[in-house]
This record gives sequence, C-alpha cells and structure tokens, in this order.
Amino acid sequence: KAGVTQTPRYLIKTRGQQVTLSCSPISGHRSVSWYQQTPGQGLQFLFEYFSETQRNKGNFPGRFSGRQFSNSRSEMNVSTLELGDSALYLCASSRTGGGNSPLHFGNGTRLTVT
Amino acid sequence: AQRVTQPEKLLSVFKGAPVELKCNYSYSGSPELFWYVQYSRQRLQLLLRHISRESIKGFTADLNKGETSFHLKKPFAQEEDSAMYYCALTSAGGTSYGKLTFGQGTILTVHP
Repeated sequence: KAGVTQTPRYLIKTRGQQVTLSCSPISGHRSVSWYQQTPGQGLQFLFEYFSETQRNKGNFPGRFSGRQFSNSRSEMNVSTLELGDSALYLCASSRTGGGNSPLHFGNGTRLTVT
Repeated sequence: AQRVTQPEKLLSVFKGAPVELKCNYSYSGSPELFWYVQYSRQRLQLLLRHISRESIKGFTADLNKGETSFHLKKPFAQEEDSAMYYCALTSAGGTSYGKLTFGQGTILTVHP
C-alpha cells in the first residue's frame, strides 16, 4: 500500500508570494490533516479535512487555507508568505480522523521563505 | 487546553541498558495517547497507542491517569532505537478530527 505522498519535497519562495502544497492520502483514507513543524514551536496542527469539508482548524491566521477534493487528495495554500512561514509542512491521513484512527504521515514539504 | 510535556530533549543510554522516555500531559477530557517515532531520514510513524496496550519493538507505555503520564519504556535498548520520539495526545471521544497535540520530542541516542 502506498504511503502518504506530498509534493513538492522542497520549495523556495519570496516574501509576499503564495504557495500551494499537495498531499495524496493512503488509499481508503478520507481524513487529511496538515501540520507545521518548526524548531521553535514543534509540530502544530493546521487543519483537517474529511469528505471535502474542513472539520477542525488550529490557531493559524487566515493566510493558511486548504481544500480537499472528491478523491480525498488535499492541497494547502499559504498566501502573502512571511519569513516565519519557513517550516516543514506535514500531511497526515487516517481513515476517519477520530482518536481511534491513527495518523499516517508523509515525508513533508520543506518551505523556505526568503 | 491540551498540553504534552516531554521534559528531556536529549537522552543517551548504552546498548542493553533500560530506557524510559517521559511524557506528561494536561487534558480535561478523556485522552488518547500515542508515541510516534522518527528515525533518521524517515517519516514520522506511529510506534504505539495506549488503547492497544501492545508492545512494539520491545517498547511499552502505560497510561497513568492519576499522574497524567504516558512514559515509554524498553528494558534493553538497541542501537537501532536511536531516533526522535514524540508523545502525542488527542481526544478519545472521536471529535478531535485529525488533531494531535505533540510534545517537543526527545532525541534518544543508544551508544554501542
């Protein structure tokens, strides 16, 4: 079974630009979550999608948004990039997104904002 | 509010020695606790979850609700156990919807 796939693996953007990250979940998994990982703040939850609907959201500004398609693939968008957005962005999928449904993580997209 | 604390950023032991990675949590509801591991150049992966009460790769973890702890233990550490370990918490009620609260992680190094 293929794991969670994230593309691209690396991105370099300039302040003020926007970026879109992509995530393909494990087949059969309908829940996709996004996390930001930084050395200072660690792993922080961004949001979760299930059946194309956002069900949960973390404490991030509105510049961070996402969506999910009918095939459960998900994209995350960050607009008006700031230097502090430089991070590893992880996508995770699970069958239901509930506590009894463990998350399976991708390798991440490393975003560098200059 | 949910909070997970892993007091040790770094932990070094010798091969064959017992190892314990500490995890304390703060949560008002009914928690579900996990340990995730990240080996060098690999993705973050689930090691074990308290609800399963299983032993994976010789590791066990017991949820102590009185002490709000979920420490990870292994009686005899191996060099291949060297990795970053994260303790994570979510709601057991099923309404967490993909949200895990992670600790800051502990880097375990097992010396030969």
